[in-house]
Amino acid sequence: RKEVEQDPGPFNVPEGATVAFNCTYSNSASQSFFWYRQDCRKEPKLLMSVYSSGNEDGRFTAQLNRASQYISLLIRDSKLSDSATYLCVVTPIKAAGNKLTFGGGTRVLVKP
Amino acid sequence: NAGVTQTPKFRVLKTGQSMTLLCAQDMNHEYMYWYRQDPGMGLRLIHYSVGEGTTAKGEVPDGYNVSRLKKQNFLLGLESAAPSQTSVYFCASSPYPPGTAFSEQYFGPGTRLTVT
Repeated sequence: RKEVEQDPGPFNVPEGATVAFNCTYSNSASQSFFWYRQDCRKEPKLLMSVYSSGNEDGRFTAQLNRASQYISLLIRDSKLSDSATYLCVVTPIKAAGNKLTFGGGTRVLVKP
Repeated sequence: NAGVTQTPKFRVLKTGQSMTLLCAQDMNHEYMYWYRQDPGMGLRLIHYSVGEGTTAKGEVPDGYNVSRLKKQNFLLGLESAAPSQTSVYFCASSPYPPGTAFSEQYFGPGTRLTVT
């Protein structure tokens, strides 16, 4: 089993709709969680950190479920510009080798 | 403020050739990383550095070497390129170690390497 798993998609989303997807992780000692966004043929960029209590940034909401070992990202009122691949990142406590573990990414396509 | 830059952007090598990828950051970050990204595999850590003069192996270090002689630069070397090293290589830097709440990594634009 991979340490961090994501549904690769694509999630085809009508403009203005809501889309949500999860990322599961296998290491229960995981400490820090992030969502990165990666546009086609570009570098990943931090979208948001994921806090234990859940957090919101505009149209984006991130949740953490430690009991079931997954994080989620919800995008409301999807825009065409939200089309991208979303990478989840998980870091264990006292990360071995300073390693962040990236999921394979979930591709989202927002269509008019 | 250029952030993280990578040189070159594209390169085609023949099997057995060598090359060096350069990563430079102007944010005074201590932590620097080299990743490779392959379809369906996500980003995998090759080598990393926790400060000037230090380097360590990541998840997939075989076939690569690195050096960090200056804080702002992190070099990735391929001594004898193989087709399995065809990939997109990303460099990243961070002001804080992983496992902390603010350990955002800043990525360079990537180098697309093809080994024939």
